Amino acid sequence: EVHLLESGGGLVQPGGSLRLSCAISGFTSSSSAMSWVRQAPGKGLEWVSGLSSGGDRTYYADSVKGRFTISRDKSKNTLYLQMTSLRAEDTAVYYCAIFFRELDFWGQGTLVTVSS
Amino acid sequence: QAVVTQEPSLTVSPGGTVTLTCGSSTGTVTSGHYPYWFQQKPGQAPRTLIYDTNNKQSWTPARFSGSLLGGKAALTLSGAQPEDEADYYCLFYYSGARVFGGGTKLTVL
Repeated sequence: EVHLLESGGGLVQPGGSLRLSCAISGFTSSSSAMSWVRQAPGKGLEWVSGLSSGGDRTYYADSVKGRFTISRDKSKNTLYLQMTSLRAEDTAVYYCAIFFRELDFWGQGTLVTVSS
Repeated sequence: QAVVTQEPSLTVSPGGTVTLTCGSSTGTVTSGHYPYWFQQKPGQAPRTLIYDTNNKQSWTPARFSGSLLGGKAALTLSGAQPEDEADYYCLFYYSGARVFGGGTKLTVL
């Protein structure tokens, strides 16, 4: 059974940094592209960033480009999202997700709150 | 970055049929946008209903179907059930990046 477990969320001041982790079990992270998706309280889904299966291509939403970095540690089978220059509008539940054709796996999400 | 537009809310009667649509600010939606449809219920993570325009997941009820319709991606629900009340999101692929629509809140009433 596949499990994705996010961690690293919390309260951070505007302008601060945070690194989210997504530990993957039951699935090899290099087998598929992976994404980070966020959802602000009471709002819709926003795709944030993606990493190709080979780990050589990264993609970002315009809203986070230049501030967030997606990466993967194959040895730990873990996906990361390094977030810098955080803003109030980055406050959201962040989901780690694998969705590619018949693959569909999501974590439970980790809450990031950006506030002074 | 492209903007993907969905109906904010729709209501369908039990047993009725409803079509949700997703348009792209870049123009006509094609199979090259690999349209996805996700269902999200309160307090739960989303899950894929439809991928690549019209392909169903193993858990997708037969009453859901995906298509391209009038330059948009469409999700049709035929024979709505109370458990179909949820938020529905489409997702398009744009040369590596993805963009979600704003979501449609579907009420079965």
